[in-house]
Amino acid sequence: ELKVEQNPLFLSMQEGKNYTIYCNYSTTSDRLYWYRQDPGKSLESLFVLLSNGAVKQEGRLMASLDTKARLSTLHITAAVHDLSATYFCAVELFGNEKLTFGTGTRLTIIP
Amino acid sequence: DARVTQTPRHKVTEMGQEVTMRCQPILGHNTVFWYRQTMMQGLELLAYFRNRAPLDDSGMPKDRFSAEMPDATLATLKIQPSEPRDSAVYFCASGLTWTSGDYEQFFGPGTRLTVL
Repeated sequence: ELKVEQNPLFLSMQEGKNYTIYCNYSTTSDRLYWYRQDPGKSLESLFVLLSNGAVKQEGRLMASLDTKARLSTLHITAAVHDLSATYFCAVELFGNEKLTFGTGTRLTIIP
Repeated sequence: DARVTQTPRHKVTEMGQEVTMRCQPILGHNTVFWYRQTMMQGLELLAYFRNRAPLDDSGMPKDRFSAEMPDATLATLKIQPSEPRDSAVYFCASGLTWTSGDYEQFFGPGTRLTVL
């Protein structure tokens, strides 16, 4: 059974600081997704990582994938309040389109 | 701006009543998913369709839940009878598998269900 773990579960950080959210998964996979969810809202797709060593960046967010270590990271650079949300990673097994989600990381950016 | 739509957005019902949630996937997408989100369990996959065929409903309580795709533009999730433990946000998502193998899933706004 595929297990996806994120840490930390909760993260409170000051504006302007850098931090990283980690996503570990238990079974070999070549595809990993990051989503953002604002309170009471739906999930918004942030990144799709399709191969080992993949790195994608959008604004202050950068995601990377190490399939050998079964690890993905979401790095936040110089955090701003607008980034406050819950971030989920999700793993797809061998292109079968089913996603297994991590527990989520609730990020709060303090002015 | 193509997006997944879901109705109703909110539903309050009494235990024992039937609940039907509807989803319109993005036009042209060939996969549809139903997820349930709760504080305790997080996001759980309930059912999965590809080209309207049900591929996996192992995450769904079979005795009371049913999922169907009567046509390519409509997916339904039905609960009968509903119970208080079914209270959750139910998300529908759709995606398209490209010939290149790329894939991305897009989520609808969700149906917030409260069973009293």
